[in-house]
Amino acid sequence: QLQLQESGPGLVKPSETLSLTCTVSGGSISSTNYYWGWIRQPPKKGLEWIGSMYYSGTTFYNPSLKSRVTISVDTSKNQFSLKLRSVTAADTAVYYCGREDLTGTTGYWGQGTLVTVSS
Amino acid sequence: EIVLTQSPGTLSLSPGERATLSCRASQSIRSSYLAWYQQKPGQAPRLLIYGASSRATGIPDRFSGSGSGTDFTLTISRLEPEDFAVYYCQQYGSSPKTFGQGTKLEIK
Repeated sequence: QLQLQESGPGLVKPSETLSLTCTVSGGSISSTNYYWGWIRQPPKKGLEWIGSMYYSGTTFYNPSLKSRVTISVDTSKNQFSLKLRSVTAADTAVYYCGREDLTGTTGYWGQGTLVTVSS
Repeated sequence: EIVLTQSPGTLSLSPGERATLSCRASQSIRSSYLAWYQQKPGQAPRLLIYGASSRATGIPDRFSGSGSGTDFTLTISRLEPEDFAVYYCQQYGSSPKTFGQGTKLEIK
């Protein structure tokens, strides 16, 4: 059974970099059939796609965040990561990692992790 | 960017009733790349429908999707107690992928 688990600090200071890792178990991140992505949800609000990547390193980002986001993969650890630079309070959200099929739907999700941006 | 508008914002129904949720796009969605997700409090979303009308693995047949172009519908034929949740539509035919603001389905 595929499982994804987010990890990283729950509190980040304004202007610093948010860093999260998603560990994949029960399946290989090197599969040619999927993308691996990040979606976030501010408290009491809707969902926002952040970006996705293919195991080879090809990435796709939401233009609204592209200047601040990097998604990378570590195939040796079966993990992928999110870095969001220069965060503000508006970046406070639950961050989900997920597996996307090649057309773009997210069929498997991590449980999500709340990241609060505050001094 | 394609903007998705869901209606109604909140839908109050009783178990056993039929629910009809709407999702309207600001422009035509390529290849009917429209999905529906269900989210319960404290949980990650769950994929219900993809390609506008195909049920994801393990989704009961009381859930159905329809529509094309800019207008899409999620129908739950007979509500079960576990169906009361927030539902989001998502378009994945154009980048960036975008979600609607959600419809809350609550028990009347």
